[in-house]
Amino acid sequence: GQQLNQSPQSMFIQEGEDVSMNCTSSSIFNTWLWYKQDPGEGPVLLIALYKAGELTSNGRLTAQFGITRKDSFLNISASIPSDVGIYFCAGATGNQFYFGTGTSLTVIP
Amino acid sequence: NAGVTQTPKFRVLKTGQSMTLLCAQDMNHEYMYWYRQDPGMGLRLIHYSVGEGTTAKGEVPDGYNVSRLKKQNFLLGLESAAPSQTSVYFCASSYAGGSEAFFGQGTRLTVV
Repeated sequence: GQQLNQSPQSMFIQEGEDVSMNCTSSSIFNTWLWYKQDPGEGPVLLIALYKAGELTSNGRLTAQFGITRKDSFLNISASIPSDVGIYFCAGATGNQFYFGTGTSLTVIP
Repeated sequence: NAGVTQTPKFRVLKTGQSMTLLCAQDMNHEYMYWYRQDPGMGLRLIHYSVGEGTTAKGEVPDGYNVSRLKKQNFLLGLESAAPSQTSVYFCASSYAGGSEAFFGQGTRLTVV
C-alpha cells in the first residue's frame, strides 16, 4: 500500500502553545483528510481538503493541502487539554484512503 | 442520526472459531470500508465496497471475507480466526470515493 509519512510521532506541549504536524507522501492525492482519535473511540473527521493549495480552518485548527498534492499540514493554535489524542492524516485517491501512522499529542496543563 | 454503527464492540475468540462483524450506516453512503488498527501501524484497509453487491480487496485482505447485500450494511467475516487477527476493527463509509469518510466506534477483537 501507499505510505504516508506523518511527523512528529509524538508531541508533549504546554497548554496554550501552538502545534504543527505534517504528512508527506511519494504519491499524489486528490483529497487530504485530518482525523482525531480518542482512546477507545473511532477516528473523528476534523478537516477535509479537496484542492491543491487549499487552506481550511475549523475553529482553532487550520490545515493546508500542499501545492504538489503530496503533502498536508495541520496546525492547532492555543492548545487546550481536550486536544489530547492521536491525530491521523489520510490521503485519498481513486476508491481508497491511505492513513498516516498518527501523531500522539499530550497537552500539559 | 446514528452515523456508522458497529456490532459487537468487544469479542474474544478461540483460534479457529468464526465470527461476523456487522457495520451499518444510515447516511445513504455508497462506499463502505473495513480497516484494522494495530499499534504503530495506523489504519490498514482490509476490504471495501463501492456499492451494494460489490466488494474489493484492500491492503490486507487475507483471512477475511466481506459481503454488501444491502446498501446500508457491510459485513466482515473471519472464517477461521488466528491470533494475528487480534486487532481493533473499524468500519467507515463515504458518499463517494475520496470524499469524507466517517468511522464507527470500533470492534476490539482478541483471538486466543
